[in-house]
Amino acid sequence: DIVITQSPDSLAVSLGERATITCKSSQSVLHNSNKHHYLSWYQHKPGQPPRLLIYWASTRESGVPDRFSGSASGTDFTLTISSLQAEDVAIYFCLQHISAPYTFGQGTKLEIK
Amino acid sequence: QVRLQESGPGLVKPSETLSLTCTVSGGSISGHYWGWLRQPPGKRLQYIGDIYFGADRDYYPFINNRLAISVDTSKNQVSLRLNSVTTADTALYYCARWRGDILADWGRGILVTVSS
Repeated sequence: DIVITQSPDSLAVSLGERATITCKSSQSVLHNSNKHHYLSWYQHKPGQPPRLLIYWASTRESGVPDRFSGSASGTDFTLTISSLQAEDVAIYFCLQHISAPYTFGQGTKLEIK
Repeated sequence: QVRLQESGPGLVKPSETLSLTCTVSGGSISGHYWGWLRQPPGKRLQYIGDIYFGADRDYYPFINNRLAISVDTSKNQVSLRLNSVTTADTALYYCARWRGDILADWGRGILVTVSS
């Protein structure tokens, strides 16, 4: 199974500052045919469904503010919120879906400092 | 916009069968893969299985052939049945829709506790 190690477990950032969350995969999640990394990022607020933010490691989902971005370097993946807003308080997690069983990061709780 | 709503009993006895339904509104069941996921207390999310037009697959090792997923296109519902449950099956269960090869849309989840 592919193991995803997400860090940090929790993060406190001041409003307007940058927040960075990483996921490290134990194996490549690069699809050989289309060259996409099969790594997605989600935002989860209490009482709401998890929301897709980023797919293929760096493609922003429609409607997601452009302060959210994703990047990949080999098996290391980063979600960046460039300027934290109050509404960004949530749990963030990543998912690899290149090979079954699909596996998740453990989640990062993002709070305002 | 598609909405997914999980429903079912919040409490199931050990050794019994857990049955959940995901009702889909704002979109059709057809043409998509539908997944079930869960998050046990204090643990990370687990992807447990999915279905596309009647061909279900279970992925999570601990599910151990106890899982059945089905669709009812007339009701726009996706169902999950998990047999012989134990306390380890206590979790927040989610249904989700794949958009191509992207897990795009989720329900809010339903908490299921396995306890006598």
